[in-house]
Amino acid sequence: EAEVAQSPRYKITEKSQAVAFWCDPISGHATLYWYRQILGQGPELLVQFQDESVVDDSQLPKDRFSAERLKGVDSTLKIQPAELGDSAMYLCASSFAGQPNYEQYFGPGTRLTVT
Amino acid sequence: AQRVTQPEKLLSVFKGAPVELKCNYSYSGSPELFWYVQYSRQRLQLLLRHISRESIKGFTADLNKGETSFHLKKPFAQEEDSAMYYCALSGRLGNQFYFGTGTSLTVIP
Repeated sequence: EAEVAQSPRYKITEKSQAVAFWCDPISGHATLYWYRQILGQGPELLVQFQDESVVDDSQLPKDRFSAERLKGVDSTLKIQPAELGDSAMYLCASSFAGQPNYEQYFGPGTRLTVT
Repeated sequence: AQRVTQPEKLLSVFKGAPVELKCNYSYSGSPELFWYVQYSRQRLQLLLRHISRESIKGFTADLNKGETSFHLKKPFAQEEDSAMYYCALSGRLGNQFYFGTGTSLTVIP
């Protein structure tokens, strides 16, 4: 069964360093989502892609976060510079399309710790 | 502001007892509502969605627009229902996806 892949699974970095996360969605899924989940809270949508275009990045802290999906397949989320408050689980999800009747499939997440 | 509220962080019920996980929302428009579940050591996954009006694993959820609620119910809880449950909503076009803070359900044998 196809799954969303994410790497790395765990990342420890020092504040002010740059960090990047990678996501490979399920083949054929046009919509890709990046979420941040702080401990004890629900996932918060950071950015949503439809193919290679950004549909929604209203919650993305654009001064330090960037996301790209250049060929409309895999995606990278970058933080530069990392801050202590960025420690969280970063989840990637994909769906066949962006409409609500299409299920989002989640990856295992990348747990980021900023020291 | 769009918001999803799950008032209970923790909920414990005995096996065979009814269970209700509460979810209230505020949204300027007509949202689509979902319940997602995360079992121990597994990925977050969709449990059910209002648009499909389905019952999954014995769970149902009714959208009450007057009370702006989408509570999740099951008449007889099973041990395998122990998990973290998240209520979520999106706009009609599938954008603006918001999750609640989650309720951890424990079913006591």
